[in-house]
Amino acid sequence: DSGVTQTPKHLITATGQRVTLRCSPRSGDLSVYWYQQSLDQGLQFLIQYYNGEERAKGNILERFSAQQFPDLHSELNLSSLELGDSALYFCASIRGPWGNTEAFFGQGTRLTVV
Amino acid sequence: GQQLNQSPQSMFIQEGEDVSMNCTSSSIFNTWLWYKQDPGEGPVLLIALYKAGELTSNGRLTAQFGITRKDSFLNISASIPSDVGIYFCAGPSGSARQLTFGSGTQLTVLP
Repeated sequence: DSGVTQTPKHLITATGQRVTLRCSPRSGDLSVYWYQQSLDQGLQFLIQYYNGEERAKGNILERFSAQQFPDLHSELNLSSLELGDSALYFCASIRGPWGNTEAFFGQGTRLTVV
Repeated sequence: GQQLNQSPQSMFIQEGEDVSMNCTSSSIFNTWLWYKQDPGEGPVLLIALYKAGELTSNGRLTAQFGITRKDSFLNISASIPSDVGIYFCAGPSGSARQLTFGSGTQLTVLP
């Protein structure tokens, strides 16, 4: 158990809809990273938050947004969903703001857009 | 952004054999992380390396941080069926604000 909790584990929704994925980092970790993993693909970095503030952005679509709350949990919002958004979405938590320490991943949310 | 080149892309080996995979970057990395991912699960951290030349073991796994700081190697000795999965290397990039992953090595262990 990595200590990182993601909910829901599975999500099935229709095109055009909006969903929210939730991540609770490990106790004491201040950074949350979000990644997208499409079928047979690697992990694509989306966005990073540290202590409530956005710190780095990767290849995140404008239809996607995220935030980190005062209790440090983070939510990834995906709107106007398309079939191609179907993927595994992972969050990872790190103690500090920088990516040069160990990152621990949640179990992921499998999103299926139909 | 920076990219990590991981090879081989896939490997088929017999149970009991040793395995070696590597990761290279065009830029210097200060940290190398190796992860294993089982199907449908999140990546699990195997080994973290923080110093050039460092050699670190975790059971049957051994990883090395290359002297040039642009590469890293992961070796698995005496492979067993539960070693099956995808192995990723990762390192900080973008002024260390991102954790970039290699494309992964899919390992299959044949009985």
